[in-house]
Amino acid sequence: NAGVTQTPKFQVLKTGQSMTLQCAQDMNHNSMYWYRQDPGMGLRLIYYSASEGTTDKGEVPNGYNVSRLNKREFSLRLESAAPSQTSVYFCASRQGLGNQPQHFGDGTRLSIL
Amino acid sequence: ILNVEQSPQSLHVQEGDSTNFTCSFPSSNFYALHWYRWETAKSPEALFVMTLNGDEKKKGQISATLNTKEGYSYLYIKGSQPEDSATYLCAFSQRGGYQKVTFGTGTKLQVIP
Repeated sequence: NAGVTQTPKFQVLKTGQSMTLQCAQDMNHNSMYWYRQDPGMGLRLIYYSASEGTTDKGEVPNGYNVSRLNKREFSLRLESAAPSQTSVYFCASRQGLGNQPQHFGDGTRLSIL
Repeated sequence: ILNVEQSPQSLHVQEGDSTNFTCSFPSSNFYALHWYRWETAKSPEALFVMTLNGDEKKKGQISATLNTKEGYSYLYIKGSQPEDSATYLCAFSQRGGYQKVTFGTGTKLQVIP
């Protein structure tokens, strides 16, 4: 049972390049999330999707876009990468209700030079 | 932006010691409080989801309590073992926006053999 799968695991970009981080879950969860993790900052919510067809901004959405392609997949796009976006990115999913725990992927370590 | 605070930031204990940490969150419009365990180089894993004032949850030697009226939760570890070394995160969501989850910055526990 794969759970939440993120690709790629590592990526190095140059400033101004674009890329898409992929996330897929096989648990039939309604809600999906993108977080970034920086030293001393904990996990900060970038965007979330409460259900297929909806997306909403989190705490730090600037510089990112998302697409909920279908119930399984939720992608995060950096249109013009900046060094400030160097971080570890985590995707998570959960069944729709807030009293259910989130299930996390293994993370994508992104460095922008 | 909701303020979720965890203390202490880090903690070193001897094997066999018992320990506890605190998560503070807004007391208004409470919906759910989650605890996660995050080992180095892995992804966060859910420990508990708590929704009712006075809730107590237990998993092995780890337990948690919840006070929604005053806005805090305690996580207790009885007889710490080296394998309990991890960062412990709490996460909070409010009624009316329960899909949006705010994480604390975590308590990093190191258990010394």
